[in-house]
Amino acid sequence: DIQMTQSPSTLSASVGDRVTITCRASQSISSWLAWYQQKPGKAPKLLIYKASSLESGVPSRFSGSGSGTEFTLTISSLQPDDFATYYCQQYNSYGWTFGQGTKVEIK
Amino acid sequence: QVQLVQSGAEVKKPGASVKVSCKASGYTFTSYYMHWVRQAPGQGLEWMGIINPSGGSTSYAQKFQGRVTMTRDTSTSTVYMELSSLRSEDTAVYYCARVLTDRDAFDIWGQGTMVTVSS
Repeated sequence: DIQMTQSPSTLSASVGDRVTITCRASQSISSWLAWYQQKPGKAPKLLIYKASSLESGVPSRFSGSGSGTEFTLTISSLQPDDFATYYCQQYNSYGWTFGQGTKVEIK
Repeated sequence: QVQLVQSGAEVKKPGASVKVSCKASGYTFTSYYMHWVRQAPGQGLEWMGIINPSGGSTSYAQKFQGRVTMTRDTSTSTVYMELSSLRSEDTAVYYCARVLTDRDAFDIWGQGTMVTVSS
């Protein structure tokens, strides 16, 4: 299976900060990467698909980039509602895999 | 509106089986694949398998081969995930999530079903 590695595992930031989360794949996945946001006790929510496409209804402060094995999720100006855990996921091949998650905490 | 509604929480003893349901509404049931993903307490997301509601074909993660069975009932637009030989490590929230094709991100998720395995 393809391994997905996120960094950092935890990130402390303030409202208004620019935040970047990195995801690395153990082999090339082209652009078959998604980003999800999860809040405690809730199901994950799709933010970005195909590495850089914004899901309908998701605020434009979220953006994704990358291809091959290196990807990033950027939040341009962190809002109170954005404190959550973020997961990347590859869907290049059967055996869908997720990163271990990045928790964005209030500084 | 499009939604996936899962069955309620379960408590099972080690060695037992559990069957979780996921009822779809607001879209054409047979036009979307369904995945199952689980999340142990305080842990990340783990993919378990996929079912094509149209023909019933399935593909399971190697880790769960032999223990998991995914089925569907097109008459009620419901998919099921049954996990057998339960052990304490299977304590987790189980989610269903739909995709349009097997090369798509998971756009709609169920609310999750907590399964607790305890003697």
